[in-house]
Amino acid sequence: GAGVSQSPRYKVTKRGQDVALRCDPISGHVSLYWYRQALGQGPEFLTYFNYEAQQDKSGLPNDRFSAERAEGSISTLTIQRTEQRDSAMYRCAVVLGQLMLGFGQGTRLTVV
Amino acid sequence: DQQVKQNSPSLSVQEGRISILNCDYTNSMFDYFLWYKKYPAEGPTFLISISSIKDKNEDGRFTVFLNKSAKHLSLHIVPSQPGDSAVYFCAASAGSGNTGKLIFGQGTTLQVKP
Repeated sequence: GAGVSQSPRYKVTKRGQDVALRCDPISGHVSLYWYRQALGQGPEFLTYFNYEAQQDKSGLPNDRFSAERAEGSISTLTIQRTEQRDSAMYRCAVVLGQLMLGFGQGTRLTVV
Repeated sequence: DQQVKQNSPSLSVQEGRISILNCDYTNSMFDYFLWYKKYPAEGPTFLISISSIKDKNEDGRFTVFLNKSAKHLSLHIVPSQPGDSAVYFCAASAGSGNTGKLIFGQGTTLQVKP
């Protein structure tokens, strides 16, 4: 969706395992955002990048969460030592216009 | 604390009638507001926005009203169509429109009955 490809679409992992979620903004957008959406809630800001520079990571819940964006646009959100409360939809987004975010279809993470 | 609140989890209206979705906010620094629509299995998509210097913005069947003194905004859909059935999210920004860092409400599920 919106020129953003996320993989995997679904991820089931055991508690304590590390996971890496990938976002590929197909059309090479400058700014890339990560949001998390719990069931029945709206998206919640996690972090964002301009080019490969992480501009704001104030929304990352704790130090188990980290993100990087390699030169060339692909970004990875990594969650270490996953916990059940990390289960959510993780969405990547790019800016299409003034505050018009284009969201990807997301990765549904389930921690069992 | 929830800075953007949508107090109605769901709304059901008849086709052709008006749908009114409400949103309240607490942070007076918010200066730009948006509505997003989400269909099942898809990401949210931008619908309409309004700057805090305005009190109304209209785009076809969709109109957003902003009442700054009450810290309240609403989305009107007239006439409602079955294809409008979706989850609607209100969102706010304190960045003067310069970033995509948004605060979202919990969403309201709209069902438009034929």
